[in-house]
Amino acid sequence: AQTVTQSQPEMSVQEAETVTLSCTYDTSESDYYLFWYKQPPSRQMILVIRQEAYKQQNATENRFSVNFQKAAKSFSLKISDSQLGDAAMYFCAYRSAGGNQFYFGTGTSLTVIP
Amino acid sequence: EAGVTQSPTHLIKTRGQQATLRCSPISGHTSVYWYQQALGLGLQFLLWYDEGEERNRGNFPPRFSGRQFPNYSSELNVNALELEDSALYLCASSLPPGYNEQFFGPGTRLTVL
Repeated sequence: AQTVTQSQPEMSVQEAETVTLSCTYDTSESDYYLFWYKQPPSRQMILVIRQEAYKQQNATENRFSVNFQKAAKSFSLKISDSQLGDAAMYFCAYRSAGGNQFYFGTGTSLTVIP
Repeated sequence: EAGVTQSPTHLIKTRGQQATLRCSPISGHTSVYWYQQALGLGLQFLLWYDEGEERNRGNFPPRFSGRQFPNYSSELNVNALELEDSALYLCASSLPPGYNEQFFGPGTRLTVL
């Protein structure tokens, strides 16, 4: 089975600064999708950004961007100009192209310091 | 458009009892997924239902079961509750297989005493 590893249980960032959350995964598949989900305190999990493995270009959504290194099986999330509302638990997830099951990492708790 | 809804928000049971958790997917979504989110363990996949059928199951004992109704809503049943079943149970829905995003509900916090 695929595994997703988030090695940073907690991270903190000063408001307006940039922070990078790390994620690595293990798979033998060549075609798959990667996701970052955000779970604010006591609120629903929402999708932040996704990356198709066949695309070489890194995905970007406003202040959120990824660094996708397929050979290294690495998928980090960069948050620029951090805002207080970015404080949340962030989960990295993997889904194979041919299946519907998601594999999630253990999460990184991000604190934004005013 | 209404999102994924779950009920109840909180559920307190004692060891050995049964718990029933409910989920209503986004209108038009036929796939429903259940996850267990225990502290420090991330999200563990429990069950996937699509078109009323169980399509896949995670590494959980048989006392975790569920079903999907004709209106695509779903129920998760946990029998013979154990203390370690205490967790946040998340439901997610998506369009038919092939579409690649899951939408999550707010979760049900199950506490087993």
